[in-house]
Amino acid sequence: DVKVTQSSRYLVKRTGEKVFLECVQDMDHENMFWYRQDPGLGLRLIYFSYDVKMKEKGDIPEGYSVSREKKERFSLILESASTNQTSMYLCASSRRDIGGWQPQHFGDGTRLSIL
Amino acid sequence: DQQVKQNSPSLSVQEGRISILNCDYTNSMFDYFLWYKKYPAEGPTFLISISSIKDKNEDGRFTVFLNKSAKHLSLHIVPSQPGDSAVYFCAASGRGSGTYKYIFGTGTRLKVLA
Repeated sequence: DVKVTQSSRYLVKRTGEKVFLECVQDMDHENMFWYRQDPGLGLRLIYFSYDVKMKEKGDIPEGYSVSREKKERFSLILESASTNQTSMYLCASSRRDIGGWQPQHFGDGTRLSIL
Repeated sequence: DQQVKQNSPSLSVQEGRISILNCDYTNSMFDYFLWYKKYPAEGPTFLISISSIKDKNEDGRFTVFLNKSAKHLSLHIVPSQPGDSAVYFCAASGRGSGTYKYIFGTGTRLKVLA
């Protein structure tokens, strides 16, 4: 079974702090993704990566950056946390397929609160 | 601009009856669709998929129907069980969304009453 592990289930940080969310997958997947989930808005893509050191912006990248130094690890960085970044953050991975038709496998999420 | 829409935020169904969850999309370039189930405090888990070359895909109690002309898909759960109570997301991908990416709907919360 694919396992996607997010380093923290719950995190509380203060406004202005730099926040790191870590994600590790154990299935040698090429693609990794960061989403945030908010009530009434579903899952929105922040950033994704299709290879080591490669990244692409998703639909809501403002205020975030990412790092992928190793294939199995994808980090989401909140450069200067703000209260509107309080949310559930979900990491996912998938195998590369030219048609893009591989299902994504998700971690259990990090509930981040910014005070 | 919501390209994938789930217009029903919630649905309640009696145990043993059929649950029908609906999803509409606007982009005709989408050619692959998935359903995910999400329990509280867990990540979404992949449930079932369908490609645009089919109009139906079945897996046990779960069946997904695709109507391309109406840009509509639905998930049928028969019979519904209390353990099916969760939030269900539909997602779409294809040439319209960019390689590797899925566009998710806003989710429908299903409650199966015992």
